[in-house]
Amino acid sequence: KNEVEQSPQNLTAQEGEFITINCSYSVGISALHWLQQHPGGGIVSLFMLSSGKKKHGRLIATINIQEKHSSLHITASHPRDSAVYICANFGNEKLTFGTGTRLTIIP
Amino acid sequence: ETGVTQSPTHLIKTRGQQVTLRCSSQSGHNTVSWYQQALGQGPQFIFQYYREEENGRGNFPPRFSGLQFPNYSSELNVNALELDDSALYLCASSLTSGRNTGELFFGEGSRLTVL
Repeated sequence: KNEVEQSPQNLTAQEGEFITINCSYSVGISALHWLQQHPGGGIVSLFMLSSGKKKHGRLIATINIQEKHSSLHITASHPRDSAVYICANFGNEKLTFGTGTRLTIIP
Repeated sequence: ETGVTQSPTHLIKTRGQQVTLRCSSQSGHNTVSWYQQALGQGPQFIFQYYREEENGRGNFPPRFSGLQFPNYSSELNVNALELDDSALYLCASSLTSGRNTGELFFGEGSRLTVL
């Protein structure tokens, strides 16, 4: 069974803080996705990675295949980063989502 | 703007009815996947279509079915609607090459309410 766990479930931080969200999965992957969902439902793909590290602006995603663990980092966090962040792993021919991390950045 | 469009955006049905939701993929994408997201919950994978064939399915009963057309657009059909089917239904398109599926591009979703 493919299980995906995220931590923390909720995270509140001050503007400017460095943010880390963690994701662990149980099944070997072809790719792990990091997604962002704002209130109202729209989902945006942030990263898709199968090894190493990717960076896009203030966002960095890393993955350790041996440890089956991925992290999403946000540098210099801003209130507009407030959203739910979800990791998802395609394994056993289906995409399994983590429970999501609700991030709130306070000005 | 992802280039993925879903219709309708909102609809209301009654228990026992059938519903068809539609998704137009981003140009050049050959894979579409569907997700159900109940209020306050994370998305749940329903199924994925690649080149008009289902190639992955989550834990959903057979009354959830789908189609992918030659132009890679897709439909999700749900028969015998139940109250618990009320949710946001999301589709995502991607480009699959070999065994690798690329980045997902999501539509805005269709919000279904079953009364």
